[in-house]
Amino acid sequence: SQTIHQWPATLVQPVGSPLSLECTVEGTSNPNLYWYRQAAGRGLQLLFYSVGIGQISSEVPQNLSASRPQDRQFILSSKKLLLSDSGFYLCAWSVERDPLLSNQPQHFGDGTRLSIL
Amino acid sequence: KNQVEQSPQSLIILEGKNCTLQCNYTVSPFSNLRWYKQDTGRGPVSLTIMTFSENTKSNGRYTATLDADTKQSSLHITASQLSDSASYICVVSASSGTYKYIFGTGTRLKVLA
Repeated sequence: SQTIHQWPATLVQPVGSPLSLECTVEGTSNPNLYWYRQAAGRGLQLLFYSVGIGQISSEVPQNLSASRPQDRQFILSSKKLLLSDSGFYLCAWSVERDPLLSNQPQHFGDGTRLSIL
Repeated sequence: KNQVEQSPQSLIILEGKNCTLQCNYTVSPFSNLRWYKQDTGRGPVSLTIMTFSENTKSNGRYTATLDADTKQSSLHITASQLSDSASYICVVSASSGTYKYIFGTGTRLKVLA
């Protein structure tokens, strides 16, 4: 069966420090991978998505970057964190072949709660 | 502007009662609509996915409806259980040139014993 792992579960970082959140998927090949941020009282905001190794698309301009060094590994990074980067970060995967017409669900990890001090 | 609005924002019901959550959207062109359940501190879990041609889809005690003409969807929960306490998120997918899911802010449901 397919599983998705995110770590760490919680993270407290000072302003200006670097960030690296990791997400790995097991049990599937060539998944589409996504990074979302969920702020309190707001809907999930898509940050990045990837349809293959080294292929990253960004939805919104921001202080963050993403990389996909391996088929089932997705990393969210920042060189210098801002207070506004606080939030709940969710990684997800899906097996859509045509993302625009997909009827497949996205499968989410359990998230990383990031607090910036 | 593509938007998804959910109501109510929060809801408290007694165990065993039924409830209905609403989702209105302005996403165009529409591809599909999804309902997710998100337990506190966890990632969302898919409940149903409906395309424009589907009016109703059930998953156990959860029944989703879709009216593509009025751009409204509802999620009906029958015989609620304490474990139904969670946030329920409506997500609409746009089949435009931009790959995008539009998430609602969710309805927080609390079921009391």
